[in-house]
Amino acid sequence: DGGITQSPKYLFRKEGQNVTLSCEQNLNHDAMYWYRQDPGQGLRLIYYSQIVNDFQKGDIAEGYSVSREKKESFPLTVTSAQKNPTAFYLCASSINRGETQYFGPGTRLLVL
Amino acid sequence: KNEVEQSPQNLTAQEGEFITINCSYSVGISALHWLQQHPGGGIVSLFMLSSGKKKHGRLIATINIQEKHSSLHITASHPRDSAVYICAVWDTDKLIFGTGTRLQVFP
Repeated sequence: DGGITQSPKYLFRKEGQNVTLSCEQNLNHDAMYWYRQDPGQGLRLIYYSQIVNDFQKGDIAEGYSVSREKKESFPLTVTSAQKNPTAFYLCASSINRGETQYFGPGTRLLVL
Repeated sequence: KNEVEQSPQNLTAQEGEFITINCSYSVGISALHWLQQHPGGGIVSLFMLSSGKKKHGRLIATINIQEKHSSLHITASHPRDSAVYICAVWDTDKLIFGTGTRLQVFP
């Protein structure tokens, strides 16, 4: 079964800690994306990657970091510099940038 | 003002009703997406269109590029259609998302 997986589904973090959200896809897609969703707002782009070993900042990249060492994987690290990290995080992928995006199930991050 | 506006924000319907959700945008676009977000949070892409009309089962999406407007229609609505429907447009190099329309269909 092809698809995108994100883990964990729920994540709790203490203030001041870094935390890494996993995103894996077996769709052989080149492009991958991280979005943040807050109540009452549309999804906002954090980072995207069009090819291995390359990634670009989105609209709200401050306090986040990513890596793209493998085509299948695009982990997102929420650093302690992110002042308001509690949110729902969605990973997506597409064959190329501009094509239909396929979304993972999301990770809900709660800072305690 | 948001670059992508959806209406209504919330919608309730009885099973079997015809549903229309609207999306207006203010930027020049190359394509528009309709997405469905289930209560658990997962998102599914329903349509990507840049002109005319597309149909998939009971769902129909239309777009009018000149008027910068798109509609999503659901015929013979069913409780399993209850979800948040999101419109998103491609502006040069990124997707801009609307805030979504929450649909509840009651038996």
